[in-house]
Amino acid sequence: DQQVKQNSPSLSVQEGRISILNCDYTNSMFDYFLWYKKYPAEGPTFLISISSIKDKNEDGRFTVFLNKSAKHLSLHIVPSQPGDSAVYFCAASEYGTNSKLTFGKGITLSVRP
Amino acid sequence: DAGVIQSPRHEVTEMGQEVTLRCKPISGHDYLFWYRQTMMRGLELLIYFNNNVPIDDSGMPEDRFSAKMPNASFSTLKIQPSEPRDSAVYFCASSFGTSGTDTQYFGPGTRLTVL
Repeated sequence: DQQVKQNSPSLSVQEGRISILNCDYTNSMFDYFLWYKKYPAEGPTFLISISSIKDKNEDGRFTVFLNKSAKHLSLHIVPSQPGDSAVYFCAASEYGTNSKLTFGKGITLSVRP
Repeated sequence: DAGVIQSPRHEVTEMGQEVTLRCKPISGHDYLFWYRQTMMRGLELLIYFNNNVPIDDSGMPEDRFSAKMPNASFSTLKIQPSEPRDSAVYFCASSFGTSGTDTQYFGPGTRLTVL
């Protein structure tokens, strides 16, 4: 049973527009959420994170929003660039579980020039 | 500073053969993780170590899988005997810290194909 769900396998957007990647979770004990980015033939790299005490975290063009009541988070990329084309993984953890992360299946983002 | 190093990058073997994947974590990191990526299940945590001690191996699919960490700079994931359904990309990651908020750094992965 997937505790972290990324229901849309792919997303295609025009360069310069906003990309919105969604993620849902079922485990109410999760209190820390992360997004990882993965290029082909490389390992995932950390992108941005958010704690459950916040509902928004921003880092340059990347913003993550958390809606705890809906158990939903989203990653916004504005403006999208062709170099953002990659697979994006949503991940979650419970504080005190010794860094154990649960990942979703990933979303493939394609940014068209 | 070198990141997480994995070898081999690609492995093709026949069903029934033993496969050993290797990982060198980032120096100073005290957590090491083994993941498997498949289209069906995405990124799954197989096992992780803290200070060379296995903490949680609940993700290891079967007894055919085993992992060791003999010292702070080396870990292996072994599959014996291998089966076609083991074909996947296997990632090793490491981190420093003791909470769930520590960033994990991933290696480039080993693409395993079992024929």
